[in-house]
Amino acid sequence: SYELTQPPSVSVSPGQTASITCSGDKLGDKFASWYQQKPGQSPVLVIYQDNKRPSGIPGRLSGSNSGNTATLTISGTQAMDEADYYCQTWDTTTASVVFGGGTKLTVL
Amino acid sequence: EVQLLESGGGLVQPGGSLRLSCSASGFTFTKFAVTWVRQAPGKGLEWVSGISGNGGITYYAKTVKGRFTISRDNSKNTVWLNLDSLRAGDTALYYCARDRHSWEAAPEPDGFDFWGQGILVTVSS
Repeated sequence: SYELTQPPSVSVSPGQTASITCSGDKLGDKFASWYQQKPGQSPVLVIYQDNKRPSGIPGRLSGSNSGNTATLTISGTQAMDEADYYCQTWDTTTASVVFGGGTKLTVL
Repeated sequence: EVQLLESGGGLVQPGGSLRLSCSASGFTFTKFAVTWVRQAPGKGLEWVSGISGNGGITYYAKTVKGRFTISRDNSKNTVWLNLDSLRAGDTALYYCARDRHSWEAAPEPDGFDFWGQGILVTVSS
């Protein structure tokens, strides 16, 4: 089955840039989406189709996807960005949605 | 305002059944696929099942195929997930979420842009 691998945790200082990676076999040939989930809340879509932002998502969140890795980049990280982040893709071989294991972003 | 409201969760014994409902409002229901995603306590997101806008396309995760059934009634703006042969490992918060499109033109999930608050399913004796 297809798997997406994320680092369990990433730390960043306020105002700095955070990068969260998501790895999967030939992931760059698929579309990747990213979700933000804060404690006790439902997930929120922050990036779809690799690099598109839904309405209301700030421009300091951006995405890229190439080769085997998709990356969510948060520029000028703020305390409000502290959350769990999940990548997601669609595997046509198994006709399954796949989520990464999630990355806890800590803003120190 | 787009809203998704789950209901039907609760405590059930192993081997039992439940029917979850996802009631939608604030958008043209037939134009969007709907998916179910679950999250075990303290764990990550796990996709469960999805259904296209017209109900003609359904997908299931390998872990639930043959035990769970997804369906929808567009006249009621509702999607259901029937959970049968429940196991302790099915214990989770179940979310319904709207896909960005209907899947009729391209039968592939493309990002889930609105989510409900979730409904808890606990499987225990």
